[in-house]
Amino acid sequence: GAVVSQHPSRVICKSGTSVKIECRSLDFQATTMFWYRQFPKQSLMLMATSNEGSKATYEQGVEKDKFLINHASLTLSTLTVTSAHPEDSSFYICSASQGARGETQYFGPGTRLLVL
Amino acid sequence: AQSVTQLDSQVPVFEEAPVELRCNYSSSVSVYLFWYVQYPNQGLQLLLKYLSGSTLVKSINGFEAEFNKSQTSFHLRKPSVHISDTAEYFCAVSDRGSTLGRLYFGRGTQLTVWP
Repeated sequence: GAVVSQHPSRVICKSGTSVKIECRSLDFQATTMFWYRQFPKQSLMLMATSNEGSKATYEQGVEKDKFLINHASLTLSTLTVTSAHPEDSSFYICSASQGARGETQYFGPGTRLLVL
Repeated sequence: AQSVTQLDSQVPVFEEAPVELRCNYSSSVSVYLFWYVQYPNQGLQLLLKYLSGSTLVKSINGFEAEFNKSQTSFHLRKPSVHISDTAEYFCAVSDRGSTLGRLYFGRGTQLTVWP
């Protein structure tokens, strides 16, 4: 149980285009979803926290207008990288939890984005 | 704010040898503690966690970690490693008082087991 999927697994796009990444909890309802960014050989950096039906909470330094997050249902959250630039190339990972204190976060397999 | 320090970025070890991956944290509040493992080209998987109770927690594949409040540490150990344990290991903390459950990660330790 507790499976989280991400789609696509990898994507290449041209600079200036937008890319949407989906995160789905397959067998549980996720009241809270998190979006992380991971650079090579580095740790995961939290970008934003989203709760179903409300606006996402962004971490300091993360541009809200560039990284649009939508948590439309208890099983789906999307991250849209708008007007992508080469420096946005990274590994994007989502996680989902049921929101209780100490609740385990279940991570998706990640999406590798390459912006040319 | 919380911070997590994993002092060793890489730990090479021979098969069947013991290993310890170190994790120290800094926090002004009580925390929950986690170890996640990331195999090549895969997402993070929970290895074990400490929420309350016994300070020694164990995973199903032989790893264990002990919460030491006085030393603010949560080191991960295994008495005898296998080649299949080769992976990146991340220590993480979350604030007990937070309902959001946001995790703060260390930089990770690459464990490489050699035959």
